[in-house]
Amino acid sequence: EDQVTQSPEALRLQEGESSSLNCSYTVSGLRGLFWYRQDPGKGPEFLFTLYSAGEEKEKERLKATLTKKESFLHITAPKPEDSATYLCAVYTGRRALTFGSGTRLQVQP
Amino acid sequence: DVKVTQSSRYLVKRTGEKVFLECVQDMDHENMFWYRQDPGLGLRLIYFSYDVKMKEKGDIPEGYSVSREKKERFSLILESASTNQTSMYLCASSKRGAYNEQFFGPGTRLTVL
Repeated sequence: EDQVTQSPEALRLQEGESSSLNCSYTVSGLRGLFWYRQDPGKGPEFLFTLYSAGEEKEKERLKATLTKKESFLHITAPKPEDSATYLCAVYTGRRALTFGSGTRLQVQP
Repeated sequence: DVKVTQSSRYLVKRTGEKVFLECVQDMDHENMFWYRQDPGLGLRLIYFSYDVKMKEKGDIPEGYSVSREKKERFSLILESASTNQTSMYLCASSKRGAYNEQFFGPGTRLTVL
């Protein structure tokens, strides 16, 4: 059974304090790994897709990386507006996405 | 601006009622999905559809059914609502070929009393 585990569950940072969120997965035949951002009371918003180990993608202060066992979402010099829940999901080709339970990020001014 | 819209943001129903949640997308996407989101459990797939009138069960289909009569519209039906179906329901759509990113609606917060 495909499993996706995100850590930590919650993370509190000071503005400008860089950190990383982790998404580890146990799947047979990864076809793609997705990162989403979700603000309270809203649906998830797509950030990145990674397809193969070694791949990296960047968007503003966010950078996603992928290895054969896990993905990291690096947040450089975060701002309060980066506060949200970050979700990781995997697609293995058998059915739709399998999501992790998310990391709640709070960035304090 | 691409959009997925859901019929209600908040809904309160009584146990045993039949509940309809509707989702409409304007991106001409082939795939549509229904998830529920609960604290600590993440998003769990209820049903998805890859074409009109086609559907496939997700991980937690019990107590739910779906209908897709038109490409842009995907409905989730709770045949007889129960309190354990109190949750946030999220609809999503994507282009054919599931490697493509899914676009989500704003969600419906359903409370069953």
